[in-house]
Amino acid sequence: GAVVSQHPSRVICKSGTSVKIECRSLDFQATTMFWYRQFPKQSLMLMATSNEGSKATYEQGVEKDKFLINHASLTLSTLTVTSAHPEDSSFYICSASGRDYNEQFFGPGTRLTVL
Amino acid sequence: GDSVTQMEGPVTLSEEAFLTINCTYTATGYPSLFWYVQYPGEGLQLLLKATKADDKGSNKGFEATYRKETTSFHLEKGSVQVSDSAVYFCALSVAGAQKLVFGQGTRLTINP
Repeated sequence: GAVVSQHPSRVICKSGTSVKIECRSLDFQATTMFWYRQFPKQSLMLMATSNEGSKATYEQGVEKDKFLINHASLTLSTLTVTSAHPEDSSFYICSASGRDYNEQFFGPGTRLTVL
Repeated sequence: GDSVTQMEGPVTLSEEAFLTINCTYTATGYPSLFWYVQYPGEGLQLLLKATKADDKGSNKGFEATYRKETTSFHLEKGSVQVSDSAVYFCALSVAGAQKLVFGQGTRLTINP
């Protein structure tokens, strides 16, 4: 299957700072990328869907100004958590799908801890 | 709205035991159903899927049958191995692969 990477794998930051998480499709062109959030012992919750070159579509209840998503190329999407607070601490997972695929391929996730 | 409920874990079994992880769903449309597996330190991987009623998805000895009458997609394996230890997620999609709704995940540990 296709490979998706995320960077960093874990990050610790101070409250009030911004954190950027990268999601890359390594061997295919990702026309659509998805960002999920996973709380401990809970399911993955879709935050937003982004198509290359378009604005992201956010799920209900997700703050657009807090979770900035950029999908500027067919291999890279970024999620920026702005002015992070402890309640933003979570596991963030991206996935990607492409024209030749009818499934999503998932990255390994990024553990964010806000102190 | 659409939702997936799966068996709470953790589940601990001995090697070669029979495995069942229950999954039921509610959906407004006609969903496709999926099982994903997440091995330690890795991303979710598609394990198997079924797109219509009575379809059986299978992979690596795992099977699941799409039961519309019971709105279920239970995961089974006849003889588990230590290497099957992972977290398993049941999921549905009503619009192809464009929006997945996940269950809460079931952590499976297989002891030698």
